[in-house]
Amino acid sequence: GEQVEQRPPHLSVREGDSAVITCTYTDPNSYYFFWYKQEPGASLQLLMKVFSSTEINEGQGFTVLLNKKDKRLSLNLTAAHPGDSAAYFCAVSPASSSFSKLVFGQGTSLSVVP
Amino acid sequence: EAAVTQSPRSKVAVTGGKVTLSCHQTNNHDYMYWYRQDTGHGLRLIHYSYVADSTEKGDIPDGYKASRPSQENFSLILELASLSQTAVYFCASSDARNYAEQFFGPGTRLTVL
Repeated sequence: GEQVEQRPPHLSVREGDSAVITCTYTDPNSYYFFWYKQEPGASLQLLMKVFSSTEINEGQGFTVLLNKKDKRLSLNLTAAHPGDSAAYFCAVSPASSSFSKLVFGQGTSLSVVP
Repeated sequence: EAAVTQSPRSKVAVTGGKVTLSCHQTNNHDYMYWYRQDTGHGLRLIHYSYVADSTEKGDIPDGYKASRPSQENFSLILELASLSQTAVYFCASSDARNYAEQFFGPGTRLTVL
């Protein structure tokens, strides 16, 4: 079945710097991709949903890139600020699944220091 | 906005005891899910349901049962709790028309001693 590898597990950047988190997946037929943010002690908050037909998606202060050829999904936080400090998870919906379950990456703990 | 609630928010249980975690959604969603999260790991699917009175096994169902008595409610049952089941448990729901997008509850922190 689908496997998702997320890197790095921990990331520390200075305020104003960029932060890049990457996930690689195995199922070439995967169609939906998600990034979730989880603040300490809180639930998962959807940051962005990406369809396989769109390669670049921009949100508030971040960009999501999908490279279908390399089966790689990345989250780029531009000009990170302390409020971005949280755990980030990618999730992939494998088309090969009998229903649309999500397969999660292991998570990245991001720390933005002033 | 989607609303998924869980109870209790935290629980301490003894090894061998029975634990029931409850989830309630007011989204009118068909699909509901139970995940567990362990420190340093992503979420792993335990059980899911796409209709009331029916549940399906996810990726790690051993040691867990699930119950979906109504569209709104989905329970996770640990008949004989074990130390290895200490984790944070999340419930989620999704719409059958947009089933890949899941909305998560606040989580239940379970500690088994």
